[in-house]
Amino acid sequence: GAGVSQTPSNKVTEKGKYVELRCDPISGHTALYWYRQSLGQGPEFLIYFQGTGAADDSGLPNDRFFAVRPEGSVSTLKIQRTERGDSAVYLCASSLSFGPVGTGELFFGEGSRLTVL
Amino acid sequence: QQQVKQSPQSLIVQKGGISIINCAYENTAFDYFPWYQQFPGKGPALLIAIRPDVSEKKEGRFTISFNKSAKQFSLHIMDSQPGDSATYFCAASRTSGSRLTFGEGTQLTVNP
Repeated sequence: GAGVSQTPSNKVTEKGKYVELRCDPISGHTALYWYRQSLGQGPEFLIYFQGTGAADDSGLPNDRFFAVRPEGSVSTLKIQRTERGDSAVYLCASSLSFGPVGTGELFFGEGSRLTVL
Repeated sequence: QQQVKQSPQSLIVQKGGISIINCAYENTAFDYFPWYQQFPGKGPALLIAIRPDVSEKKEGRFTISFNKSAKQFSLHIMDSQPGDSATYFCAASRTSGSRLTFGEGTQLTVNP
């Protein structure tokens, strides 16, 4: 497809379980971002990748959260020992370029809704 | 230093009216200010963006006004339509394409 694709669209899990959320960015976009959006709130930055490397992971809330982008395209957000407070919509976005070059427009996917029971 | 404050939290206007949403930021290093529109069940989509070297930018019915000295910027939607009903987020970042700091959002309802 032409847009950012995220799977699964919905995930229900039990407290303490491990979860993986996948993001397939727009082809050719080198920058990839993960945001978390709680109900009624704006997206909150988690991490972004420039190519394969995590250029900024300062938004990850704790060491239970980890993300990878091994080939510079698809990314996976991994959450260990899930807690009820992790329940949110996890948004992935990609952009054509990073920094002052280009428009910097972020293209968001529809998100993965995570519910931790 | 990283916060972006947005108001109002919700807004109801009549079709054809003007919708105004305001944002204030603290970090003077911010130099890119986009507005995103989000419909239920969808991801945010860029609506319009401005840099601090201009005080106003207009695209169709949407206008951003920017006041650098006050560290404030606003979105004006002229001739508001029911199809504009959505949640609007202001955001700010240091450079185009780097991490965005979002406001809390404004839920806009345009009544027919």
